Amino acid sequence: GQNIDQPTEMTATEGAIVQINCTYQTSGFNGLFWYQQHAGEAPTFLSYNVLDGLEEKGRFSSFLSRSKGYSYLLLKELQMKDSASYLCAVFGAGSYQLTFGKGTKLSVIP
Amino acid sequence: DVKVTQSSRYLVKRTGEKVFLECVQDMDHENMFWYRQDPGLGLRLIYFSYDVKMKEKGDIPEGYSVSREKKERFSLILESASTNQTSMYLCASTQGAVTGNEQFFGPGTRLTVL
Repeated sequence: GQNIDQPTEMTATEGAIVQINCTYQTSGFNGLFWYQQHAGEAPTFLSYNVLDGLEEKGRFSSFLSRSKGYSYLLLKELQMKDSASYLCAVFGAGSYQLTFGKGTKLSVIP
Repeated sequence: DVKVTQSSRYLVKRTGEKVFLECVQDMDHENMFWYRQDPGLGLRLIYFSYDVKMKEKGDIPEGYSVSREKKERFSLILESASTNQTSMYLCASTQGAVTGNEQFFGPGTRLTVL
């Protein structure tokens, strides 16, 4: 089976940096996604990691360590519009199925 | 831009009714998915389809069926709706190999079963 853990809620201040962690236990590994979901809206793609290391995309970066079953999403220069849920999702080996974590609700405060 | 549309944003049905949720994508994607999203449980896969007339069960297929007669359209059917199927239903699609390609989501259908 697959198990993905991420914190339920986090709060951070506008302009700051926040790191959202994700740990996973899967039958093999074939890639990890991060999605952003604003309340009442569809998830939208943020990043994809399949190899170890850091992927940077503007204010957002995502890190992967396959040996540790660990990823994080780093958000810099936080803005109020970054208040959303952040979903970690993993493909196990040989699977069509993307397994999602329960999501981390981030609140950005002034 | 990829567009995934769902037939309704909000739907209210009665217990025992047959319910159809429709999803259409306009980018010729091979793969389509139906998820439900519940507070505290996250997104869970109900069914997916990797080609016309092909389907695979996800984690929670019980009480649901699907139909994919055309490449662009994937329908989720609740044969006899029950109150525990009250949820947000999200459709998604992706092209090519399922792994490694982002899934594009529709806006969701919030279904309430009374």
